Amino acid sequence: QQPVQSPQAVILREGEDAVINCSSSKALYSVHWYRQKHGEAPVFLMILLKGGEQKGHEKISASFNEKKQQSSLYLTASQLSYSGTYFCGTVLSNAGNMLTFGGGTRLMVKP
Amino acid sequence: DGGITQSPKYLFRKEGQNVTLSCEQNLNHDAMYWYRQDPGQGLRLIYYSQIVNDFQKGDIAEGYSVSREKKESFPLTVTSAQKNPTAFYLCASSIISYNQPQHFGDGTRLSIL
Repeated sequence: QQPVQSPQAVILREGEDAVINCSSSKALYSVHWYRQKHGEAPVFLMILLKGGEQKGHEKISASFNEKKQQSSLYLTASQLSYSGTYFCGTVLSNAGNMLTFGGGTRLMVKP
Repeated sequence: DGGITQSPKYLFRKEGQNVTLSCEQNLNHDAMYWYRQDPGQGLRLIYYSQIVNDFQKGDIAEGYSVSREKKESFPLTVTSAQKNPTAFYLCASSIISYNQPQHFGDGTRLSIL
């Protein structure tokens, strides 16, 4: 079953912060986050593993709440380059990395 | 440099025609995947393969076929049975583990003539 992402779209001014959520109705082994620019391939950002680990990548970090089966992506002091569509992909089994992707969150950062 | 190569970048299909999208990787990954992306939508899995000569249907396999004769190659054929083939097609590969990312090619944009 497809994870649910929220919000569907967000517009920010440069320097503002944003949070994108990814929720699943099933138990997860990991959550993968990707960013896609229009017409390009998705680019890998980070993986959150079962266990509530929080990771960071420049000013982008994420957490995984195992109790809620929810991951959140935090974008701090956003830059113009952060614009794009963010997708979460969820893995339900420890036997592989079959990803089920959410519908995406469109982020636009304005000057 | 290691990576995934998809070709062609753009492809046009005539009515009743089968077309094949190429995907090659030199990352030595066991798993390969094909996704379809419609405008403003997420990625939907068409087929995946975890080993040579074996592949599994994803969520939207109808009207598509694949082969995996070599570890490096996973071509996708869009058959005439796929009535709405216009989309962006993405190929990916990965190590088979829940803590490893999928790596994507640059995609093929398929349109109907």
